[in-house]
Amino acid sequence: NAGVTQTPKFRVLKTGQSMTLLCAQDMNHEYMYWYRQDPGMGLRLIHYSVGEGTTAKGEVPDGYNVSRLKKQNFLLGLESAAPSQTSVYFCASSYRNPRRQNYGYTFGSGTRLTVV
Amino acid sequence: KNEVEQSPQNLTAQEGEFITINCSYSVGISALHWLQQHPGGGIVSLFMLSSGKKKHGRLIATINIQEKHSSLHITASHPRDSAVYICAALNYGGSQGNLIFGKGTKLSVKP
Repeated sequence: NAGVTQTPKFRVLKTGQSMTLLCAQDMNHEYMYWYRQDPGMGLRLIHYSVGEGTTAKGEVPDGYNVSRLKKQNFLLGLESAAPSQTSVYFCASSYRNPRRQNYGYTFGSGTRLTVV
Repeated sequence: KNEVEQSPQNLTAQEGEFITINCSYSVGISALHWLQQHPGGGIVSLFMLSSGKKKHGRLIATINIQEKHSSLHITASHPRDSAVYICAALNYGGSQGNLIFGKGTKLSVKP
């Protein structure tokens, strides 16, 4: 049982380049999230999805796009990378029970992205 | 003011010491999470609390809903407990099930 898998683990981009981070979960979770973690700050929500085919903006969505074409995958795209997007990116997933409470939060191992 | 505040930010302890990390929150929550992150590593969920107390091995987590406060205790600390501990609140009634994170407490346990 792999849980949440993120690829790649490390990446260096030049300013203006594009890339896609892949998050895959095998727990049949409806909810998936992309966070960024920066020194001195808590994890901040970039985008999230409450089910296949749905996405929504989080706290810091600018410069990122996402897609959830399949329930198990949540992709985070950077169309034109900027040095301000240098960060560690975490994907997470959860499920909601019939009482509308979210459980089972599981995090990926992170992607360390440097934009030069 | 952050909605989830942790203290202390940094903590150094000697092996064997009893450790307490505190978390206060200002939002209405349906649950509170304690997470652990080792240096350069991923994030692991330790506890999810909505009331009372939970224990797992040497780790104990408590929550006081009325005071909007939670604590994480580590008994007989060990160098392998060195990590960042993160408190995260699950907003009550939130439609996206999103967590609101504290900034973390960096714990270093010396042998």
